[in-house]
Amino acid sequence: EAQVTQNPRYLITVTGKKLTVTCSQNMNHEYMSWYRQDPGLGLRQIYYSMNVEVTDKGDVPEGYKVSRKEKRNFPLILESPSPNQTSLYFCASSPGTGGTQYFGPGTRLLVL
Amino acid sequence: SQQGEEDPQALSIQEGENATMNCSYKTSINNLQWYRQNSGRGLVHLILIRSNEREKHSGRLRVTLDTSKKSSSLLITASRAADTASYFCATENNNDMRFGAGTRLTVKP
Repeated sequence: EAQVTQNPRYLITVTGKKLTVTCSQNMNHEYMSWYRQDPGLGLRQIYYSMNVEVTDKGDVPEGYKVSRKEKRNFPLILESPSPNQTSLYFCASSPGTGGTQYFGPGTRLLVL
Repeated sequence: SQQGEEDPQALSIQEGENATMNCSYKTSINNLQWYRQNSGRGLVHLILIRSNEREKHSGRLRVTLDTSKKSSSLLITASRAADTASYFCATENNNDMRFGAGTRLTVKP
């Protein structure tokens, strides 16, 4: 089944404790992206990647890192999480830029 | 910052009625997409309309795009209770994807 998977789905952590949210797609898509969704603000793009080893900042990259060492994986790294990073995070992939995006199920993060 | 802004923020209708949601945006775009989200879940793509297109249909969905007014509308005809969800427009321009805050649609049986 073609899909985008994210892990973990739910995470409670404390300020400053490094964490990684994994994202994987099995559709051989070149384009991958991370978003955060907050009430009243819709989705905001954090980082995106147009291909392996190519990443770019989105709208709200501060406090986040990403890597794209393989085509299928695009992990989101929070080196030192803070409470304002409490949010619902979505990973998405697309065959190319500007096309239909396929979203993962979301990761709900709470930073205490 | 957001690009698309949906209107209304919330819409409640009876089953069988049509639902119209609007999206306005600020800058030039390559395409505009509409997505649906059931509560707390991932977004599902509904339809994509390119900047040189004016209208597109998919089943009970009809999307229009007016680039001169920088606006789009999504019409869902003959709505069903299962259409209850949040609907987002997203604009794409040079790899930059921007989503609006969404319209929350409730269809009452």
